[in-house]
Amino acid sequence: EAQVTQNPRYLITVTGKKLTVTCSQNMNHEYMSWYRQDPGLGLRQIYYSMNVEVTDKGDVPEGYKVSRKEKRNFPLILESPSPNQTSLYFCASSLEPTGELFFGEGSRLTVL
Amino acid sequence: GESVGLHLPTLSVQEGDNSIINCAYSNSASDYFIWYKQESGKGPQFIIDIRSNMDKRQGQRVTVLLNKTVKHLSLQIAATQPGDSAVYFCAEIPRGYGQNFVFGPGTRLSVLP
Repeated sequence: EAQVTQNPRYLITVTGKKLTVTCSQNMNHEYMSWYRQDPGLGLRQIYYSMNVEVTDKGDVPEGYKVSRKEKRNFPLILESPSPNQTSLYFCASSLEPTGELFFGEGSRLTVL
Repeated sequence: GESVGLHLPTLSVQEGDNSIINCAYSNSASDYFIWYKQESGKGPQFIIDIRSNMDKRQGQRVTVLLNKTVKHLSLQIAATQPGDSAVYFCAEIPRGYGQNFVFGPGTRLSVLP
């Protein structure tokens, strides 16, 4: 089954404790991206990647890092999480840059 | 930066009626638009897309209309069903911005029995 898999789905952590949200897709897509979703603000892009070792900032990259060492994986790293990073995070992938985005089920992160 | 917005944060329709969800965008350079549906507790799902060289595109029970003159996008759902209840987002990609999708805040559609 074609899918985008995120882990963990739910996480509660404390300020400053580094964490990684993993994302993996099995569709051989070149394009992957991360979004955060907050009430009233919709989906905002954090980072995107157009190929292995090629990443670029989206609209809200501050406080986040990403890496794309393999085509299928695109982890989101929060080096020192803060409460304003409490949000619902979505990973997405697509075959083309302006094509259909396939989203994961989301990762709800709470930073205390 | 540029933003995509939605008219009416909520919309209620009777089952069987047609639904129209609107979206206003501000970047006249955008050349690709998508509508997504998000059900509670799930990730967004693709509904339909349209490029700026088109005015209308039809799918199964859905139609997207693009009016570039007033920078307006709409999603029409025919014979709305209970399973259509969800939040609907429009998104655009400004030309030359790679894969930098810009999403609107969403409209919650409720289907009344």
